[in-house]
Amino acid sequence: DGGITQSPKYLFRKEGQNVTLSCEQNLNHDAMYWYRQDPGQGLRLIYYSQIVNDFQKGDIAEGYSVSREKKESFPLTVTSAQKNPTAFYLCASRTSGRYNEQFFGPGTRLTVL
Amino acid sequence: KQEVTQIPAALSVPEGENLVLNCSFTDSAIYNLQWFRQDPGKGLTSLLLIQSSQREQTSGRLNASLDKSSGRSTLYIAASQPGDSATYLCAVRPEDSSYKLIFGSGTRLLVRP
Repeated sequence: DGGITQSPKYLFRKEGQNVTLSCEQNLNHDAMYWYRQDPGQGLRLIYYSQIVNDFQKGDIAEGYSVSREKKESFPLTVTSAQKNPTAFYLCASRTSGRYNEQFFGPGTRLTVL
Repeated sequence: KQEVTQIPAALSVPEGENLVLNCSFTDSAIYNLQWFRQDPGKGLTSLLLIQSSQREQTSGRLNASLDKSSGRSTLYIAASQPGDSATYLCAVRPEDSSYKLIFGSGTRLLVRP
């Protein structure tokens, strides 16, 4: 089955800790994204990567970091510098070519205790 | 700055009713528009993607239209069913961006049996 997997599904963090969210895709997509979703709001872009070993900041990158060492993987680290990290985090990848359609993983819910 | 608005924020209808969800955007310079479905606590599922040169797309009981010049899109759901209950989000891809989607905050739909 082709798709995007995210782990863990639920994550709890104490204040001051860094945590890493996993995102893996086997769709052979070049571009990958991380979004944050807060209750009743749309998605906001944190980071994106259009190719291996390259990534760019989105609209709300402060307090987050990413890496893209492999085409299939795009992990997101939520650092202690992120002031309000409790949210639902969604990873996506995008087809190339004419349609550029985005596909999403199932999400990780992060709660700071 | 492109802004995407979805009205109403929530909608409750009896089963069997035909319904229309609205999406408006402030800048008509878009490459495409995508409609997504999101179930509670889940990721986004792509429903329909309309290129800027297209007027509508259909998939089963769903029909999405696009009027780029007026900055509007509608998602028509025929013969609604309780299984259609979910949040529906629209997102536009600006012409000047090969990577970015800008999301509305969604319409939460409840179809009552």
